Amino acid sequence: SYQLTQPPSVSVSPGQTARITCSGDALPKQYVYWYQQRPGQAPVLIIYKDSERPSGIPERFSGSSSGTTVTLSISGVQAADEADYYCQSADSSGKIYFFGSGTKVTVL
Amino acid sequence: EEQLVQSGAEMKKPGESLTISCKASGYIFSRYWVAWVRQTPEKGLEWMGIVYPADSDTRYSPSFQGQVTISADESISTAYLHWSSLEASDTAIYYCAIHRVVVPPSNKPFYYGLDVWGQGTTVTVSS
Repeated sequence: SYQLTQPPSVSVSPGQTARITCSGDALPKQYVYWYQQRPGQAPVLIIYKDSERPSGIPERFSGSSSGTTVTLSISGVQAADEADYYCQSADSSGKIYFFGSGTKVTVL
Repeated sequence: EEQLVQSGAEMKKPGESLTISCKASGYIFSRYWVAWVRQTPEKGLEWMGIVYPADSDTRYSPSFQGQVTISADESISTAYLHWSSLEASDTAIYYCAIHRVVVPPSNKPFYYGLDVWGQGTTVTVSS
């Protein structure tokens, strides 16, 4: 079945920019959504439609897309940003959704 | 405030059946799809499928088609996830979430994301 590929881990120093990629064949035609999940908590939607932020999500979180790869950027990384991040998108039908494998962001 | 409250943790034996629930409040239940998501340490989050409470239309991930049944009861604003015969590999945390499709004025509907989540239900299957 359809797969979205993310790097298992990303490490970043405080104040720097973390970038997490998500790759999939259908991404040129399907939007990507990003979720942050802290340990022991439910995921939280942080980006929708590739680059839009829901109300209450800091501007430090941004999204971009280029072909089959989309990128979540976290600028001015803080200790509180240490979490797992998942991308989500639909297959070519647009009806069935998938999550990426998840990326653990570690703040050094 | 929109809220999803899930049923409590379950411990079951292989071969047993199970239904877990997700009760919605604070919004018109029939308006939005409800998704079920599985989480395990090995695979992370997995989208299982969605149900539209207004007409019980369902869509399943190929990985879960035939393995579970997703349903909803509009009269009590509750969605369900059902197994007829559990396996040890079903051990996981299960979340429900609002699969929100927004219809802006004069524009076509778009998927907004899973923006409200339940607290999760831990299911443990062991002999």
